[in-house]
Amino acid sequence: NAGVTQTPKFRVLKTGQSMTLLCAQDMNHEYMYWYRQDPGMGLRLIHYSVGEGTTAKGEVPDGYNVSRLKKQNFLLGLESAAPSQTSVYFCASRPPPDTGELFFGEGSRLTVL
Amino acid sequence: GQNIDQPTEMTATEGAIVQINCTYQTSGFNGLFWYQQHAGEAPTFLSYNVLDGLEEKGRFSSFLSRSKGYSYLLLKELQMKDSASYLCAVRDSNYQLIWGAGTKLIIKP
Repeated sequence: NAGVTQTPKFRVLKTGQSMTLLCAQDMNHEYMYWYRQDPGMGLRLIHYSVGEGTTAKGEVPDGYNVSRLKKQNFLLGLESAAPSQTSVYFCASRPPPDTGELFFGEGSRLTVL
Repeated sequence: GQNIDQPTEMTATEGAIVQINCTYQTSGFNGLFWYQQHAGEAPTFLSYNVLDGLEEKGRFSSFLSRSKGYSYLLLKELQMKDSASYLCAVRDSNYQLIWGAGTKLIIKP
């Protein structure tokens, strides 16, 4: 049982380049989330989805787009990367009913030069 | 604004007890969570409090006082593997999690 899998684990981009982070979960969870984690700060929610075909903005959505075409996958896109987007990105999922527990992927470390 | 405060770093001795505090100011309250995060790894769920009082789970316990906007995580019989960051998070009135910056716990032999 893989749980929540993120690809790629590491990526270096140049300013202005685009890329997509893939999150895949095999637990049949409805809710999926993308967070970023920066030193000295709490996890910040970028976008989330409450089910296939739905997405919503979180606390820091600017510069990112998402898609949830299949229930098991949640994609995070950067159309034109900026150095401020250098961060560790975590995907998480949870089932209904809400037990409060989030299941996190291993993280994707992105550096934008 | 919404705010979660917890100490940046704490040090404790193997075998001892440590208490990590968390205070919060949020728009609404729908539960408080504690997660453990080892360096370079993903956060993993430790506990969930929605009512006042103490929840015990093995060596770890979590306490909540909603009237004081306060929680603590108590770790007993500390082991070297407990060296990690401990994240406090509160679910607000919109059912979104607001996260603290985490407390880095260093265990010394």
